[in-house]
Amino acid sequence: QVQLVQSGAEVKKPGASVKVSCKASGYTFTGYFVHWVRQVPGQGLEWMGWINPNSGATNYAQKFQGRVTLTRETSITTAYMEVTSLRSDDTAVYYCARGVAGRSWTIYCFDSWGQGTLVNVSS
Amino acid sequence: SSELTQDPAVSVALGQTVRITCQGDNLRSYYASWYQQKPGQAPMVVMFGENTRPSGIPDRFSGSSSGDTASLTITGAQAEDEADYYCSSRDTSGNLYVFGSGTKVTVL
Repeated sequence: QVQLVQSGAEVKKPGASVKVSCKASGYTFTGYFVHWVRQVPGQGLEWMGWINPNSGATNYAQKFQGRVTLTRETSITTAYMEVTSLRSDDTAVYYCARGVAGRSWTIYCFDSWGQGTLVNVSS
Repeated sequence: SSELTQDPAVSVALGQTVRITCQGDNLRSYYASWYQQKPGQAPMVVMFGENTRPSGIPDRFSGSSSGDTASLTITGAQAEDEADYYCSSRDTSGNLYVFGSGTKVTVL
């Protein structure tokens, strides 16, 4: 079965960086985009960006452009999300999710999700 | 970029029907997908495309779309359907994605 397993919770100081991993199993890793979604405590879901594990191509929401970097290591079927220059308002649960397209370009969904990684930014 | 607008909260009596809506210009071009999130859990897809339920999602969940609005209907709501529901779709560029603000469904 499809599984996405994320790395554990992190505590970071403002200005530091954090790198979260997302280990995929149960499917062909290079066949599906991996997306990252953020959820600040008590708030909604926020799409951050995607990576194409096959080519390494990425795309980011404008809000995260320049401070978030998505990478992957195909040999170990793992995607990574790094956030630099952390601020207190980056405290959130970060999720990875597999993207699946339907028969039409107009149909898309995130069909499998990691368990989430809490990143706590505090001085 | 685009925005998807959802009502913040809705309540439904046990066994009754509730419709959750999601409005945005990008929904004229792209279908919405819908996610259920319970406290402390990761989101889970419950509907995507025109009206497609993933395996394991009860058939009391149905979807529809008209113009700039997508809807998720729960017919015969159960206590376990109490959760936050989010819609999502591609944005108007087609290359990025966006989530709605979420609707908290309370089953009375």
